[in-house]
Amino acid sequence: DAGITQSPRHKVTETGTPVTLRCHQTENHRYMYWYRQDPGHGLRLIHYSYGVKDTDKGEVSDGYSVSRSKTEDFLLTLESATSSQTSVYFCAISESSLIRRGGYTFGSGTRLTVV
Amino acid sequence: ILNVEQSPQSLHVQEGDSTNFTCSFPSSNFYALHWYRWETAKSPEALFVMTLNGDEKKKGRISATLNTKEGYSYLYIKGSQPEDSATYLCATLHNTNAGKSTFGDGTTLTVKP
Repeated sequence: DAGITQSPRHKVTETGTPVTLRCHQTENHRYMYWYRQDPGHGLRLIHYSYGVKDTDKGEVSDGYSVSRSKTEDFLLTLESATSSQTSVYFCAISESSLIRRGGYTFGSGTRLTVV
Repeated sequence: ILNVEQSPQSLHVQEGDSTNFTCSFPSSNFYALHWYRWETAKSPEALFVMTLNGDEKKKGRISATLNTKEGYSYLYIKGSQPEDSATYLCATLHNTNAGKSTFGDGTTLTVKP
């Protein structure tokens, strides 16, 4: 997927447990994003990063935290998973301007089920 | 939170039909619009980026237009084929939203052979 990989691809976890999803890129892009995709809601931004150690919240950030200690890795953590966080999570990357490259490049997604 | 709306939510057409769908967005502070194609079990892939009022883009049988003054974009598919079946997402960038795209919920197209 054009130098962006997500892990794991699938995960089932129990309510209350911590979960970390990883996004790894080899494109050296500055911007990285975490979205969740739910039926009827399209893609909603959770958190994004505009550089190492620079992150900010998106529209559905409650219950999630992120970290970016290296350009290539962007981690999404659910501190205490809840059933409402069952979703498909997509990581995306972009250069400094979305115009030049025509938009985001997405990872393959992580399907998370919280039981 | 910006409101990006797509219609219809879903569309079923016969092979060979031409079809179109709409993306509506706030016209103020508009910067750019992207159309993505999202096939089942895959990741969204960018089709077009559009920035200027009156922009028209074309890729094969798929084309798109942009009206930034009234805040809408149309995506057209001429002579739909079963392989066109996918969800088509639009996403907009506004100057007030610092590089973060806001996505519509998508239009899911099913083309029957």
